[in-house]
Amino acid sequence: KNEVEQSPQNLTAQEGEFITINCSYSVGISALHWLQQHPGGGIVSLFMLSSGKKKHGRLIATINIQEKHSSLHITASHPRDSAVYICAVARAGNTDKLIFGTGTRLQVFP
Amino acid sequence: EPEVTQTPSHQVTQMGQEVILRCVPISNHLYFYWYRQILGQKVEFLVSFYNNEISEKSEIFDDQFSVERPDGSNFTLKIRSTKLEDSAMYFCASSTVGYTIYFGEGSWLTVV
Repeated sequence: KNEVEQSPQNLTAQEGEFITINCSYSVGISALHWLQQHPGGGIVSLFMLSSGKKKHGRLIATINIQEKHSSLHITASHPRDSAVYICAVARAGNTDKLIFGTGTRLQVFP
Repeated sequence: EPEVTQTPSHQVTQMGQEVILRCVPISNHLYFYWYRQILGQKVEFLVSFYNNEISEKSEIFDDQFSVERPDGSNFTLKIRSTKLEDSAMYFCASSTVGYTIYFGEGSWLTVV
């Protein structure tokens, strides 16, 4: 079983829709990262969370440590948001490696 | 915006050849990483490097792989004798403790 699970695997939306991507993990963590991977392959860090909620522009990330669950929300989605969104966790303890989810492929149509 | 730079962006090599992938991490970062992503699969951890030594490595990172920070700025990944299954996108990343991790654009390695 994967230590980091994301849902849905694929998501299509109309421009302007509110998007939610979910991430569940099964290990104790020190931090959770939301990343964006563009079609060319490059990875950009969106958020690093250890508790609560963070907001940046139209993106909001939340985490519930007790439930081992995080969500990434995109408000007023736009075609330029089309990308793969990846959840990755840093396991608690003396480790700095990230364990990645399989990603959610988002396509936003005009 | 600071960035991690990687070269080459794409390399095709014959099976059995040695490959060196190069990375310039962000200058004040202390932690350096290599990850890889086989086409269609998730990103996997290879190795982390701190204070001029490997701090952690995965089971993928066998004796065919090595890392080096030869001059205080570059961070390299060497694959001694490439195999077909080494074909993947290799990402370099860097961070400071407790802060955002920055990834490079990746080096796409094709072994033929």
